[in-house]
This record gives sequence, structure tokens and C-alpha cells, in this order.
Amino acid sequence: QQPVQSPQAVILREGEDAVINCSSSKALYSVHWYRQKHGEAPIFLMILLKGGEQKGHDKISASFNEKKQQSSLYLTASQLSYSGTYFCGTLYSGGGADGLTFGKGTHLIIQP
Amino acid sequence: KAGVTQTPRYLIKTRGQQVTLSCSPISGHRSVSWYQQTPGQGLQFLFEYFSETQRNKGNFPGRFSGRQFSNSRSEMNVSTLELGDSALYLCASSLGRNQPQHFGDGTRLSIL
Repeated sequence: QQPVQSPQAVILREGEDAVINCSSSKALYSVHWYRQKHGEAPIFLMILLKGGEQKGHDKISASFNEKKQQSSLYLTASQLSYSGTYFCGTLYSGGGADGLTFGKGTHLIIQP
Repeated sequence: KAGVTQTPRYLIKTRGQQVTLSCSPISGHRSVSWYQQTPGQGLQFLFEYFSETQRNKGNFPGRFSGRQFSNSRSEMNVSTLELGDSALYLCASSLGRNQPQHFGDGTRLSIL
């Protein structure tokens, strides 16, 4: 079952902040975040393991709330280069034969 | 360090034919995953191979199959092609299941 991402799309001005959420109905082991620009391959941003940790580099950070089975990606003081589609991918607790299950993506447009 | 290489970049086939796609992972990466990307469904996991063994499998029909060779290169085969198989097929390599995945540029398959 796919995780649910929200919002589906967001338009910001350069310098504004954005939050992208990823929710699952199943117990999560880890959450992976990727960004894909049009016509390009997805690129890795970060992985969060269960334990409620928060990670980040530069002005992009993320949190993982294990109790709520939810992760949020925070983009602070957005830059034009942040434009693209953001995907969360989830691995579920309990093992099993599932690979990384991606949400449908959040389209982020940064305007000058 | 060379990235993930997928060949061919574009393919046009007709219904009923079969197709084989190739993926060369980053040197040292033993895990190779395949994904189907379409505008409606997003990124969907097909299968993952690790050390020549299929370790995980997504919810796709048996027409979709794959294999991995001793040098970690992987191939994906789709038999009896259907119009709905038109998509971008992405391959990603990593050091393991819960490690960052490095995506290739994909093979765009069009079925006429």
C-alpha cells in the first residue's frame, strides 16, 4: 500500500518555506526521500530510521514520527534549485518481501 | 565513479512483443532494484536483486521478470507487451536494502 503524500503540489516564491508530508497506514521501518527534476533520474536526499530522529543537510531537513507513521520534509528558505517532484519511499516493519514503496509525489515549483 | 547505466534509453515496441532492458550498477553495489514510473501511478517497485537472487518482488504480473549476473549487472524482461506497459523503467543500485539508491536515467518504453 502506497504512502500518502501531501500536498500534491505547491507553488512558492524563492525564500519561502515548505513542508511535505508522508503518511503510512502500516508500521514503518524507514522513510527515504528523493527529488526528481523533469526528465532526470530521482536523486537521494536522506533516509530516516524509526526512532523519531530528525536529519538534515543545508536547508533541507526531515523528521520521522514513528507513533504516527509519518514523516515530514522541511525546505527552508527555498531556492530555485529546489523545484522538482519530491517522493517519499517507505520500508515497512516486520520484514517481508516488499521493496521500497513510493508515494505519488509532491510537485514543488519555486518562482523567482 | 561511474553512475548507473541503463540501456537502451528509448524503445518502441508493438503489442505482443517482448523486450529486455539492461542495467549496469555502480561498481561495488550488489543490490539492483527496478521501478516502473508512469504519470498516473508514480514510481512502482518491480523487484530487487541481490547477489544474483531475487530478494523482493512487487505486485506485477509474471510477464515481468528479471535476473542478475555475477558482475551485478541486471536485466529486466517483459513478455507479451501490452499498451499499459508504456512507461519509464528505472533501475537503481545500492549497497543494501536500507541504503541510498542511485538511479539510472531510465529506459523509456513505448508500446504501439
